[in-house]
Amino acid sequence: NAGVTQTPKFRVLKTGQSMTLLCAQDMNHEYMYWYRQDPGMGLRLIHYSVGEGTTAKGEVPDGYNVSRLKKQNFLLGLESAAPSQTSVYFCASSYSGTSGGPSYEQYFGPGTRLTVT
Amino acid sequence: GQQLNQSPQSMFIQEGEDVSMNCTSSSIFNTWLWYKQDPGEGPVLLIALYKAGELTSNGRLTAQFGITRKDSFLNISASIPSDVGIYFCAGQYSGGGADGLTFGKGTHLIIQP
Repeated sequence: NAGVTQTPKFRVLKTGQSMTLLCAQDMNHEYMYWYRQDPGMGLRLIHYSVGEGTTAKGEVPDGYNVSRLKKQNFLLGLESAAPSQTSVYFCASSYSGTSGGPSYEQYFGPGTRLTVT
Repeated sequence: GQQLNQSPQSMFIQEGEDVSMNCTSSSIFNTWLWYKQDPGEGPVLLIALYKAGELTSNGRLTAQFGITRKDSFLNISASIPSDVGIYFCAGQYSGGGADGLTFGKGTHLIIQP
């Protein structure tokens, strides 16, 4: 049981390049999330998914796209990377709570450190 | 969006001391969570709180859900070197949907030998 895994761990991009970050979870969780973490800013939600085939915008979605074709995977894409997207990216997942919504106990992956030059 | 004020921003303490940190909001929260992040790692869930007034322990860690539902506290007793890291509070505010988890900016805990 690996929990939440993220690939790659590190990446350096040049401005304008594209890339996809992969998140995988083996806990059968319905809900998945992508966050970015910047110094002094805490964790900010980029996009999230409430189930396979669904996606929704979070607090800072501009410049990113996501897809959830399989329940266990959540992909984050950068179509044209910018230096402002230099950050550490975390994926998280959570199970369904008793009321039908998420449990809010989110489990995080180890992160991807992205540098855009 | 919702904001959480977490304090202190950083703490320099001696090994063996007790630690207290807190999180406050102007909005009512339904759930409070406390996470710890080690350098180069993702946040790890320490304690989850679901009811106002609830007091929950996890080893040397104790967290409380404030009675007003606008704050939460985390205490660490008899700190040890492995307690070093960043502690985040997170809350789900009343009326929030699946995206309704808000994070504080973290408390950096540094332990001096």
